[in-house]
Amino acid sequence: DIQMTQSPFSLSASVGDRVTITCRASRSISNYLNWYQQKPGKAPEVLISAASSLQSGVPSRFSGSGSGTLFTLSISSLQPEDFATYFCQQSFSNPYTFGQGTKLQIK
Amino acid sequence: QVQLVQSGPEAKKPGASVNISCKASEYTFTEYAIHWLRQAPGQRLEWMGWVNPGSGNARYSQTLEGRITITRDTSATTSYMQLTSLKPEDTAVYYCARLDWFGDLYPTFDSWGQGTLVTVAS
Repeated sequence: DIQMTQSPFSLSASVGDRVTITCRASRSISNYLNWYQQKPGKAPEVLISAASSLQSGVPSRFSGSGSGTLFTLSISSLQPEDFATYFCQQSFSNPYTFGQGTKLQIK
Repeated sequence: QVQLVQSGPEAKKPGASVNISCKASEYTFTEYAIHWLRQAPGQRLEWMGWVNPGSGNARYSQTLEGRITITRDTSATTSYMQLTSLKPEDTAVYYCARLDWFGDLYPTFDSWGQGTLVTVAS
């Protein structure tokens, strides 16, 4: 199985800050990488597919990049509604596997 | 708007079985795979298996093979997940999710059920 490792585990930031989350795959997954946002008690929502393609309706302050084994999710100017947990997921091969999540908290 | 609505929370004793349903609406049920995933407290999401609603064929995680069965009822546009021989470590929130092919190439869980908490304790 492909192992997905995110960093950091948690992150404190302020409204208006720019933040970056990293996701590393244990072997190359090309650009078969999705990013999800999850708020407490809610189901995950997909933000980005194919490493860098924003899903419809997702604000442009979110961006993704990377290929192979190293990927990043950036949020350019944090808004109050962005404080949540983010995790990556590889869809290169089954079983699809997830990162452990990065909890983004208000500083 | 695509909707997946799951059945309610369950409390089970070790050794028992649990059945969770996932009713789909607002899209053609047979055209998208339904996957099941779970999230134990403080743990990452774990993929459990999936069903092709068109054919009924299912595939499962190797770690759960033998204990899990995923089925579907096309007339009810509902998928079901049964997990047997429950253990305390099966305590988790269980999700169904629809798999879409973003750009016709990239598998993406684009819609999720609201989650079903299963608690296994004696």
